[in-house]
Amino acid sequence: GAVVSQHPSWVICKSGTSVKIECRSLDFQATTMFWYRQFPKQSLMLMATSNEGSKATYEQGVEKDKFLINHASLTLSTLTVTSAHPEDSSFYICSARSILAGDYNEQFFGPGTRLTVL
Amino acid sequence: GQNIDQPTEMTATEGAIVQINCTYQTSGFNGLFWYQQHAGEAPTFLSYNVLDGLEEKGRFSSFLSRSKGYSYLLLKELQMKDSASYLCAPMDSNYQLIWGAGTKLIIKP
Repeated sequence: GAVVSQHPSWVICKSGTSVKIECRSLDFQATTMFWYRQFPKQSLMLMATSNEGSKATYEQGVEKDKFLINHASLTLSTLTVTSAHPEDSSFYICSARSILAGDYNEQFFGPGTRLTVL
Repeated sequence: GQNIDQPTEMTATEGAIVQINCTYQTSGFNGLFWYQQHAGEAPTFLSYNVLDGLEEKGRFSSFLSRSKGYSYLLLKELQMKDSASYLCAPMDSNYQLIWGAGTKLIIKP
């Protein structure tokens, strides 16, 4: 159990276009979903935390108008990278925290989405 | 501030034992996670410690000392597939995971 999927697993797009990444918890309900970005050989960087039905909380330095997050249900969150530029090329990973308090707040990670902006 | 300190890289031999140390400073503490991350993949959960002491799970064990802000991950009977990065991630008072750059473990035959 506790499976999180991401779609797409990789995407290549032209500079200036927008890209949407989906994160789904397949067999549990997630009160909170997290979006991370990871550049090569660097640590995971938390971009934002989203709770179902409310606005996402963005980390300092992350542009909320550029990285749009929608958490419409307990099993789905989306990240849209608007007007993507080559410097946005990175590995984007989502994680989900179960609604069940007994899961000691563990975050279950999706497989990640590799974005390349040309 | 909040920070994690782990060795950048370690090398060990197949079949041997390796200990990866982690020291941390966080605003509040709600346990510490260890994750394994293979290149190009997302992290996968290995262990969780919230109380002092050793948690054993098969070939992997994790230790925590809250007073010292210290944890280690012990890997026994190393296999080639254990070559990966190992991430120590304490959880702060807001239940957010604090990430370091991790330790890249290289296993040699």
